[in-house]
Amino acid sequence: QQQVRQSPQSLTVWEGETAILNCSYEDSTFNYFPWYQQFPGEGPALLISISSVSDKKEDGRFTIFFNKREKKLSLHITDSQPGDSATYFCAPFNTGNYKYVFGAGTRLKVIA
Amino acid sequence: EAAVTQSPRNKVTVTGGNVTLSCRQTNSHNYMYWYRQDTGHGLRLIHYSYGAGNLQIGDVPDGYKATRTTQEDFFLLLELASPSQTSLYFCASSGTNQAPLFGEGTRLSVL
Repeated sequence: QQQVRQSPQSLTVWEGETAILNCSYEDSTFNYFPWYQQFPGEGPALLISISSVSDKKEDGRFTIFFNKREKKLSLHITDSQPGDSATYFCAPFNTGNYKYVFGAGTRLKVIA
Repeated sequence: EAAVTQSPRNKVTVTGGNVTLSCRQTNSHNYMYWYRQDTGHGLRLIHYSYGAGNLQIGDVPDGYKATRTTQEDFFLLLELASPSQTSLYFCASSGTNQAPLFGEGTRLSVL
């Protein structure tokens, strides 16, 4: 059962462009939506998160857009930098049960 | 500083061997998790726990046991390792209403 879907599987953008990473889910009880960033050889690190009561969360160049009705969210990375090259995971959960389910990830490559 | 420490960082064993992966967190978090990461699958939850002595089954538990001995320590046990368990394993911990904090991972090879 694939509860969390991420697209695209991989994405290449030029430096300075906006990268858009998508996530959709099935479980309507999910109410918290963190995104993780993972560099090769490291563990995933929390990048930015949003709760289901908001439709947008911004942190510097990173913005989450959330559509609760459609069960979709997206991570926008503006002015992409080569240092943003990493794999990004969407990991929605329900704060009632703390069972975190990760999507398969989007591998982002930013070309200088 | 919040930390999740995994040991060993690398492990090689043979098919049928016994392996224990260790995880310690110093964050006073109640929740701890074991994931495996494989290309094309992202992170898949093996077992998790919300306190000492507690164990919850994740999505891919077959072939794995886990034990939470204290609030700080969570162990993953492979009693008869198989090549299909060759993977990168991550431990994580989280507090109430917090996203998990991950360790640096253990790379396991089963020959």
